[in-house]
Order: sequence, then structure tokens, then C-alpha cells
Amino acid sequence: DQQVKQNSPSLSVQEGRISILNCDYTNSMFDYFLWYKKYPAEGPTFLISISSIKDKNEDGRFTVFLNKSAKHLSLHIVPSQPGDSAVYFCAASSHGSSNTGKLIFGQGTTLQVKP
Amino acid sequence: EPEVTQTPSHQVTQMGQEVILRCVPISNHLYFYWYRQILGQKVEFLVSFYNNEISEKSEIFDDQFSVERPDGSNFTLKIRSTKLEDSAMYFCASSDPLRTPQHFGDGTRLSIL
Repeated sequence: DQQVKQNSPSLSVQEGRISILNCDYTNSMFDYFLWYKKYPAEGPTFLISISSIKDKNEDGRFTVFLNKSAKHLSLHIVPSQPGDSAVYFCAASSHGSSNTGKLIFGQGTTLQVKP
Repeated sequence: EPEVTQTPSHQVTQMGQEVILRCVPISNHLYFYWYRQILGQKVEFLVSFYNNEISEKSEIFDDQFSVERPDGSNFTLKIRSTKLEDSAMYFCASSDPLRTPQHFGDGTRLSIL
């Protein structure tokens, strides 16, 4: 049951360049999307979110784009820094009948930013 | 900044034993969650908890699992009779209000021998 998919297990970019992480979803009921960053031996740390009523949300170096028709979202990091090296998870939830806030996660993408 | 804390950071238990994982959510949060991540796999939802009752549980959360908020600050996950396949990282999360980002603890690594 892969409702949220991150098809790239890893990504490597040079410091200062743009990092683009992608995420696809299949459940059309999803209406709230989040990106988390995770370092080894730590829990996921919230980065940025977007509601389905928007197609873009920006917070400093991080921008999330949502394409509802394609059921696709992406996270852009500009400029990338070595400290951004981590595993990035896309997550989604739905405002369905249960509406419990349950998050469905993608498999994660390991980002390496080279100095 | 307030944070979710989990104890212990690592728990080693014999198969068939009971284990309790503890979490202290952020103090003014009302929605609580447990997730787990088996090594090499994605983070999976286990259970959500609100107003002193389970609001949703996954297929993984069978009769061997239970959650409790024994007082105003702790939130626990109990596994009654552990199996080898319960070995995983268990993450607690909290949020408030509902449609806001969940904040995660650093997890408990559960190793079943």
C-alpha cells in the first residue's frame, strides 16, 4: 500500500546549488502535506507543510510546490548547505471521515550536499 | 523550544516479554500518536489518541498493543508479548490543533531477542 512514494532513494548536490526532492501520492483524499528531515538517531523534524488549497509555500530556503492534478509535490532547497544532508520524508494526511491527523509517509530520500 | 521526549532511547527485551515505551508530549498538545520504523522501511502509523481514547489504529496495532495516558503528561505504548518482528524504532508524536505539524520525539529503539 504505497499511497505516498518517493522514487529517488538518494540525491547528491553541490553546496550552493538547488536540491529538488520529489514525492508522488495516489490518494486523492490527501489534502495536507508535510516534509520532514531526519538525522541518524533522531526523530523526524518538521520542515514545511502545504495545504491542498495552495500550490506553493515558502519558508526561507525551503519551498514546497503542490501539483494536485499530477498528485505530485516537490521540496526545493536553495541554496543547499552541507548541514542539509539528511533523510527527507514526505508525508500526507486527509481530512476524511476519521480525521485523526494520521500521517502516511514516503520511503524517504537521502540528500547529500557536498562542500 | 518545547519538545517531545521519549524513554528509554534503547530497550532490549526477550521475546514474549512485555515492554512499555514512554513519551512525554509537548505540554499543551492534545493529539498524540505512535509510529514505528522497521530498519530500512518507511515510517508507519500505529495509533492516534485524543480525549483519552484511541481515535484511529492501524492493522499493525493488534491486541498485543495498547496505549495509555496515565496522567497529565505521559503517553505510553505497551506491547504485551513481544515478537521478533516488533524490533523497530518507535516514535511518539504530538500536535495541537489537529491540522498542524506533528512534533516527533527521538524515538526508542526496541530490540527483541
